[in-house]
Amino acid sequence: EVQLVESGGGLVQPGGSLRLSCVASGLTFRSSWLHWVRQVPGKGLVWVAHTNGDGNSTYYADSVRGRFTVSTDSGKNMVYLQMNSLRVEDTAMYYCARDSLDRSFDPWGQGTLVIVSS
Amino acid sequence: EIVMTQSPLSLPVTPGEPASMSCRSSQSLLHSDGKNYLHWYLQKPGHSPQLLIYLGSNRASGVPDRFSGSGSGTYFTLRISRVEAEDVGVYYCMQGLQGPWTFGQGTRVEIK
Repeated sequence: EVQLVESGGGLVQPGGSLRLSCVASGLTFRSSWLHWVRQVPGKGLVWVAHTNGDGNSTYYADSVRGRFTVSTDSGKNMVYLQMNSLRVEDTAMYYCARDSLDRSFDPWGQGTLVIVSS
Repeated sequence: EIVMTQSPLSLPVTPGEPASMSCRSSQSLLHSDGKNYLHWYLQKPGHSPQLLIYLGSNRASGVPDRFSGSGSGTYFTLRISRVEAEDVGVYYCMQGLQGPWTFGQGTRVEIK
């Protein structure tokens, strides 16, 4: 069974940085693609970024490009989302999800909450 | 960017009755490989989203057969043949044809 577990969320001031982690199990990590999706509480889902297991192919939403960086550690089956220059509007639950079954996302992690506030 | 539009945004349902919702995309999701890259997710209250239907009409593992998806190109439908209380939550469609991957606004299903 594939499982994804996120961590690293918390409260940070505007302009600050935070690194989210997602550990994956039950899959062949280096041949997997993994996504970050966020959700403002009570609102809809927004795709943020994705990477392959090697971390050498990445793609970002316009709203985070240049501020967020996704990377991997294939030895640890970890995906990271480094978030810099955080804004109040980055406040959201951040989910890690595997790209599966023809570009659908399955499964999803439980999410980690990021709050950007002074 | 492909824009996804769902309707209705709110859907009150009666247990045992059927329900349906729709999803439109701003451009065709039919790839040259013959597949429609449209997926449906359910987010139950307090939980992460879960995959229900992939490629327009294929039920994900463990999804009850009361859920069915149909459609092609730019118009898709999700149907629940007989709603159960556990089906409440927000249903999202998502296009996987090209980045950036985009979601609809969601259809909130609640029991009348």
